[in-house]
Amino acid sequence: DAEITQSPRHKITETGRQVTLACHQTWNHNNMFWYRQDLGHGLRLIHYSYGVHDTNKGEVSDGYSVSRSNTEDLPLTLESAASSQTSVYFCASSNDRGAETQYFGPGTRLLVL
Amino acid sequence: QKEVEQNSGPLSVPEGAIASLNCTYSDRGSQSFFWYRQYSGKSPELIMFIYSNGDKEDGRFTAQLNKASQYVSLLIRDSQPSDSATYLCAAGGTSYGKLTFGQGTILTVHP
Repeated sequence: DAEITQSPRHKITETGRQVTLACHQTWNHNNMFWYRQDLGHGLRLIHYSYGVHDTNKGEVSDGYSVSRSNTEDLPLTLESAASSQTSVYFCASSNDRGAETQYFGPGTRLLVL
Repeated sequence: QKEVEQNSGPLSVPEGAIASLNCTYSDRGSQSFFWYRQYSGKSPELIMFIYSNGDKEDGRFTAQLNKASQYVSLLIRDSQPSDSATYLCAAGGTSYGKLTFGQGTILTVHP
């Protein structure tokens, strides 16, 4: 069955380290999104992509980057991890016919010490 | 700032009752609205969406949209303890594919 996966599911890192969170979907969706979820803030959009080689900044993009080299993957990189980036990160995808109907991955819980 | 507002709750209802979850949005350009359910420690899952004014029913769930009042609601009939979760409201339509989420309402259904 088609699905969307994220890895790792849990990550502990130190301040200043570079961290990459993986997102992989097998639905062949063009649209992919990265969110962070924090208590009291709901889901906030970090970056998104509408297709290969396309990336766009969301509302909380500072300190994060993404690249899209194929349809299936949108890795999220924290260039220099900060304690404020401790959060739960969700990846989502959607197809072009229902672009706003997003399907979420299981999430990655990141702790920055 | 485009916002979607929800009462964070918690909203507590007895089993078998109707749970009413509310959401308001500030951007009049929003065209589509989504309700997601999120169990503790899990990812959001889509329950239903609504585009037109009025009601849309799907099983025990009814979504209601009033664009004039910029108000969206989700009714859950015959609430069950398994409905206990956080419910996220999201608005879209102002930018291709993008959604703006509310902070979520925690619902507890007690036996």
